[in-house]
Amino acid sequence: DQQVKQNSPSLSVQEGRISILNCDYTNSMFDYFLWYKKYPAEGPTFLISISSIKDKNEDGRFTVFLNKSAKHLSLHIVPSQPGDSAVYFCAAQGGSEKLVFGKGTKLTVNP
Amino acid sequence: DTGVSQNPRHKITKRGQNVTFRCDPISEHNRLYWYRQTLGQGPEFLTYFQNEAQLEKSRLLSDRFSAERPKGSFSTLEIQRTEQGDSAMYLCASSDRTGTRWTEAFFGQGTRLTVV
Repeated sequence: DQQVKQNSPSLSVQEGRISILNCDYTNSMFDYFLWYKKYPAEGPTFLISISSIKDKNEDGRFTVFLNKSAKHLSLHIVPSQPGDSAVYFCAAQGGSEKLVFGKGTKLTVNP
Repeated sequence: DTGVSQNPRHKITKRGQNVTFRCDPISEHNRLYWYRQTLGQGPEFLTYFQNEAQLEKSRLLSDRFSAERPKGSFSTLEIQRTEQGDSAMYLCASSDRTGTRWTEAFFGQGTRLTVV
């Protein structure tokens, strides 16, 4: 039973445009959400997070939106850069200290 | 501080052999986590320590798996009698407390295990 779902295995966007990565979750106990970025042969790198008491968190080019009623969150990258090309993982936490990850979305930003 | 360090980076072993991985967390980070990632999947939680105490273990951590953090610093993950299904990337992460909550987990580069 997958509690965190990233339904798009891949996404391709043009440099300078917006990238929108989506994530859905099923467990109502989750109260903290994170996005990690992963390059090949490296461990995941923390990008941005959001608590369930908020609906938006912004850090430079990265913004995460949380819709609790829909159990949905999204990561917006504006403007997208070729260096953003990586696999992005959505993760959730709540009721336990462990992170529950989605399967990831591979983002390709074309110059 | 060089971040979370994992050794070895790669390990190839024959089925039935035992293997041990080491993780050195960011210094002074109290929490240490082990995750496993297989191809096409996100990382899956295995276990975590707060200082030297192992506080949570996943059902994925069968009897063949054991993790230790004897002095609350580095940790080891041992897999006994390896099976081909154990082939995966084993990731270690650490976090620290700031204010009322713990920081996000910082991951190492992982140890890639191949069982042949």
